Amino acid sequence: QQKVQQSPESLSVPEGGMASLNCTSSDRNFQYFWWYRQHSGEGPKALMSIFSDGDKKEGRFTAHLNKASLHVSLHIRDSQPSDSALYFCAARATSSGQKLVFGQGTILKVYL
Amino acid sequence: AQTIHQWPVAEIKAVGSPLSLGCTIKGKSSPNLYWYWQATGGTLQQLFYSITVGQVESVVQLNLSASRPKDDQFILSTEKLLLSHSGFYLCASRGSQNTLYFGAGTRLSVL
Repeated sequence: QQKVQQSPESLSVPEGGMASLNCTSSDRNFQYFWWYRQHSGEGPKALMSIFSDGDKKEGRFTAHLNKASLHVSLHIRDSQPSDSALYFCAARATSSGQKLVFGQGTILKVYL
Repeated sequence: AQTIHQWPVAEIKAVGSPLSLGCTIKGKSSPNLYWYWQATGGTLQQLFYSITVGQVESVVQLNLSASRPKDDQFILSTEKLLLSHSGFYLCASRGSQNTLYFGAGTRLSVL
């Protein structure tokens, strides 16, 4: 069964607005999280990793992790049309070795 | 920086025909390599991984096989394609902080 759930399924924000994407894990063994972005017809590209509780900021992107609630989020400020893409949350457990589990994705559309 | 080249870019194949997809990694020695499958607009499902030449581990059974003939090469294949094999195939390599880096993918349509 799916162990990484993303919400919402899709999201529309105006250019310059804030986009907030969520991810919840059902497995407390998941300790390491990533956010990936995939534009149509391309392979996914890693945006950020987050392994510790709290916030991690990289440019316009901020990830937040709360291991106690098994929740990780991604916030995109000053959203641009080029941010329109499919966003994936991915998680790995310490004991899982080579297995990275992906969520079902959130479609982000940034409109003018 | 590592680069990942996948070939072909796209394939249209008939049910029951054989398939071979390839992936070459440059810029990283002894990479950990992965194959993922993605239905259109769907999530990514890990199929195989390999940590060294000649060794491949299967994650899910989808009537596919994989091989690692060279340090920088990973091959995905099957002798008989099914309709359910249609989708987007992605090769990935593990980089710093265990982050996966993906190739551009191969779009497969089985008719």
